[in-house]
Amino acid sequence: GQSLEQPSEVTAVEGAIVQINCTYQTSGFYGLSWYQQHDGGAPTFLSYNALDGLEETGRFSSFLSRSDSYGYLLLQELQMKDSASYFCAVGVDKIIFGKGTRLHILP
Amino acid sequence: DTGVSQDPRHKITKRGQNVTFRCDPISEHNRLYWYRQTLGQGPEFLTYFQNEAQLEKSRLLSDRFSAERPKGSFSTLEIQRTEQGDSAMYLCASSLVEGTPTDTQYFGPGTRLTVL
Repeated sequence: GQSLEQPSEVTAVEGAIVQINCTYQTSGFYGLSWYQQHDGGAPTFLSYNALDGLEETGRFSSFLSRSDSYGYLLLQELQMKDSASYFCAVGVDKIIFGKGTRLHILP
Repeated sequence: DTGVSQDPRHKITKRGQNVTFRCDPISEHNRLYWYRQTLGQGPEFLTYFQNEAQLEKSRLLSDRFSAERPKGSFSTLEIQRTEQGDSAMYLCASSLVEGTPTDTQYFGPGTRLTVL
């Protein structure tokens, strides 16, 4: 089967850096994706790592270690609008999502 | 707006009634996916289509659920004899796949179903 584990909640201060971790167990691994979802909104694709290492897209970076079945999403220069749920996910076509990490940002 | 659209956005129904949802994907996308999401959980895969062919259906999807994509464009998801446990957000997503698998799916705003 396939499963992903991520913290249920994380709290950080505006302007700071926060890391959201994800560990996974899956067969047929292609890569690890990250999605953002604001309350009442649709999931929005953020990043994808197929190979080990760090991928950077603006204030967001994502890291993957295939040998450790581990990845993380790094958010820098946090803004209040980053308050949302963040999901790690594996698979293509049939995407399996983690339960999500709710990010709370304090002013 | 050229994103994924879903209709209706909200549906309230009584237990035992049938409901149908519609999804219009991004026009050039050949794959269309349905997911279900309950509060505090990630989206759960239900089924997906490549053009008009339904390629996979989750074991979560009971016989009361049926999905179609008759002309390879829009799709409908029907739930027959709704139960209170069907209350959830139903999300549609689409993607363009040309040969290699893709990781990026574009989601619609969802249809929130409440079964009384």
